[in-house]
Amino acid sequence: DVKVTQSSRYLVKRTGEKVFLECVQDMDHENMFWYRQDPGLGLRLIYFSYDVKMKEKGDIPEGYSVSREKKERFSLILESASTNQTSMYLCASSLGPGALNTEAFFGQGTRLTVV
Amino acid sequence: GDSVTQMEGPVTLSEEAFLTINCTYTATGYPSLFWYVQYPGEGLQLLLKATKADDKGSNKGFEATYRKETTSFHLEKGSVQVSDSAVYFCAVPIYNQGGKLIFGQGTELSVKP
Repeated sequence: DVKVTQSSRYLVKRTGEKVFLECVQDMDHENMFWYRQDPGLGLRLIYFSYDVKMKEKGDIPEGYSVSREKKERFSLILESASTNQTSMYLCASSLGPGALNTEAFFGQGTRLTVV
Repeated sequence: GDSVTQMEGPVTLSEEAFLTINCTYTATGYPSLFWYVQYPGEGLQLLLKATKADDKGSNKGFEATYRKETTSFHLEKGSVQVSDSAVYFCAVPIYNQGGKLIFGQGTELSVKP
């Protein structure tokens, strides 16, 4: 069974902390994505990566960075957490840029609260 | 630019009612089209897809037809159940951006017994 695993379901962090959200996929996918989900705004892409050490900014990259040192792992970093980053964070992976007819697989999500 | 527009929710229906959730898109070329579903407390999962014009995707009683002429991919189900209560997302991959997926804003469906 294919799997995308996010390291935490729930996180509570303090303002100003550096926060790491980890995502691992076991499908040898080239593409990996980080989305943020907020009520009324749907899913917004923060960053995506189509290869190891490659990354592209999405629609809302400000305040975030990412790391992809290994193909199976894609980390989202909040350099200095702020209350407006309280949200649900979803990681996803897909086969790659050359396989656009195939779907993305999602993790369970991490609900982050910044206090 | 590329975009996906979905019918706004929330939508509340009685069990066995007919469901339509509208989705239209703007994209370069003729991409595959997807519907994802998110059940409470879970991540998104693929509900159905269509890869070319006039294709009909179907799964769990849901259907959607790829309409190139109207750039639409409306989701339908003839008789909804309480277990269909979820948030539904229409999605399109962007060909010239490495297959990045863009999503509609999501439509929350609540089915009452």
